[in-house]
Amino acid sequence: GENVEQHPSTLSVQEGDSAVIKCTYSDSASNYFPWYKQELGKGPQLIIDIRSNVGEKKDQRIAVTLNKTAKHFSLHITETQPEDSAVYFCAAASYKLIFGSGTRLLVRP
Amino acid sequence: KAGVTQTPRYLIKTRGQQVTLSCSPISGHRSVSWYQQTPGQGLQFLFEYFSETQRNKGNFPGRFSGRQFSNSRSEMNVSTLELGDSALYLCASSLHHDNRNSPLHFGNGTRLTVT
Repeated sequence: GENVEQHPSTLSVQEGDSAVIKCTYSDSASNYFPWYKQELGKGPQLIIDIRSNVGEKKDQRIAVTLNKTAKHFSLHITETQPEDSAVYFCAAASYKLIFGSGTRLLVRP
Repeated sequence: KAGVTQTPRYLIKTRGQQVTLSCSPISGHRSVSWYQQTPGQGLQFLFEYFSETQRNKGNFPGRFSGRQFSNSRSEMNVSTLELGDSALYLCASSLHHDNRNSPLHFGNGTRLTVT
């Protein structure tokens, strides 16, 4: 069945450093790849998304890259800040969204 | 615009009981999806409703059911509760039922504890 693998499960970085989270999907029909940020006690919030006809998308300190051939996509956060600390989920959509298992990001002040 | 609203925020139930959770989507959104979130299994898709019809269903037993009303509000019901049903239940709405063209917007969830 459809599957999305996400790595790493936890990531600790120093404030100001970059963070990279990687995902791999199995369903070749997937063509939409959103990323969600979940803070404690809240639901996941959409932070950026990319469609299969685009290789890269940036929004201020956040960027996402997509390699359709390899079925890989990644989230890059530059100049990390303590408020970036949260759990991040990748997802791939064919007829429904399939989520990765999440990455707990800790940004140390 | 108000976000997705889920009620109640917290519920404690006993094994064998049933529970109903409620979700009000963002105004104008016609699709509502439900997810179960647990530490061990992550975010798992339960079902999706669009125009009062169930469009997709995940791999959950028949004890889990849902419905959508004409105003797009949705409810999910879990009958004969088991300890393993303890989880955060998330509702998400979108404009259309095709997630490829219409991003999901989540509520803050209902935390269900079964004792």
